[in-house]
Amino acid sequence: ETGVTQTPRHLVMGMTNKKSLKCEQHLGHNAMYWYKQSAKKPLELMFVYSLEERVENNSVPSRFSPECPNSSHLFLHLHTLQPEDSALYLCASSQELGPNEQFFGPGTRLTVL
Amino acid sequence: QQQVKQSPQSLIVQKGGIPIINCAYENTAFDYFPWYQQFPGKGPALLIAIRPDVSEKKEGRFTISFNKSAKQFSLHIMDSQPGDSATYFCAASSNTGTASKLTFGTGTRLQVTL
Repeated sequence: ETGVTQTPRHLVMGMTNKKSLKCEQHLGHNAMYWYKQSAKKPLELMFVYSLEERVENNSVPSRFSPECPNSSHLFLHLHTLQPEDSALYLCASSQELGPNEQFFGPGTRLTVL
Repeated sequence: QQQVKQSPQSLIVQKGGIPIINCAYENTAFDYFPWYQQFPGKGPALLIAIRPDVSEKKEGRFTISFNKSAKQFSLHIMDSQPGDSATYFCAASSNTGTASKLTFGTGTRLQVTL
């Protein structure tokens, strides 16, 4: 595997379910990000982890819970989501203090019923 | 508050044409301006980027023009091809000394017709 991978690619869940999104980067980076992409809206930065510590949390509802066990892996734990949370969730990575180049994964298309 | 405004929302050009996508920013602390290209079913991919110490940067058929005083920058695609049909996002960030935080525009859906 190369670059940034995300699993699953598609997820359908009910409002009472608990699920997790997984991201893995194979680029040797030390910063990782979660973004939400909705139609006709800018990419919304949700969380930033730098050197495995969360450095950004953009007022994201507590039903989204990130976890970064090491510099290569990032999770987004989901519980009691709402239909308006349906979107494409993108993971990205970069080298901290580098040229600000972020590399994105293919995303997880989430549908909340 | 949207800090990066992008236009147009969509654009249709014929093969060989030169589509131009424009972005304007408000935060004068921004010092890095990348463009991302996104195909359906894929994540955004870095296309080209510029820093404010230069007014233009070319990479292949893609050119960024940067106007620091106007706080505007634009992407030009020379000799556009149907394979360039995608959504393009401008972005901006400032180097705060920690992991970079990109602020994105709303995207431009480009269609290049034969």
